[in-house]
Amino acid sequence: GNSVTQMEGPVTLSEEAFLTINCTYTATGYPSLFWYVQYPGEGLQLLLKATKADDKGSNKGFEATYRKETTSFHLEKGSVQVSDSAVYFCALLVSGGYNKLIFGAGTRLAVHP
Amino acid sequence: ETGVTQTPRHLVMGMTNKKSLKCEQHLGHNAMYWYKQSAKKPLELMFVYSLEERVENNSVPSRFSPECPNSSHLFLHLHTLQPEDSALYLCASSQEQGRNEKLFFGSGTQLSVL
Repeated sequence: GNSVTQMEGPVTLSEEAFLTINCTYTATGYPSLFWYVQYPGEGLQLLLKATKADDKGSNKGFEATYRKETTSFHLEKGSVQVSDSAVYFCALLVSGGYNKLIFGAGTRLAVHP
Repeated sequence: ETGVTQTPRHLVMGMTNKKSLKCEQHLGHNAMYWYKQSAKKPLELMFVYSLEERVENNSVPSRFSPECPNSSHLFLHLHTLQPEDSALYLCASSQEQGRNEKLFFGSGTQLSVL
């Protein structure tokens, strides 16, 4: 079946530290991959995406590369800010008669000054 | 503001109550979704409507009943819920566009069942 596994949080970092949040997936075929972010009290927002192998998605200093050989889509940022504190969700898109987005459990990130 | 509005933001109900969650999108999208978000669990896809027709029902108990009267509105009718149904219920919409499909989420309804 199709599933997404993320590293368990919370991840606690100091400001300007390097961030990695691991994500691996299981899927039939070649899904598109996404990272969504949920700030406190809000719904999810798309952060970045990649639609095929070796694509790199990037936005707001965050990056993730679609690695087919390791079925991974790890999220990275070189220097985190307090404002990056949120819950991050990895997701894959299953296409068929209609599209369906399957999410991981989410990883909470807390950045301290 | 994502263009997807959910009401109410918070809801407390007893197990014998009947209530409804409402979702409205002003983005011209043709697909709408209900997700359930519980602590430390993946978001659970509950229902999908495409062009106002229900296309997925992920074995959701019958105490949850969706309704999509038109492409802009989606409801989730609740009755005789259980305490384990307490969660954040998220509505989303999208314009289906192949591998680049992007979902727009509302802020959710935080439901507590007593």
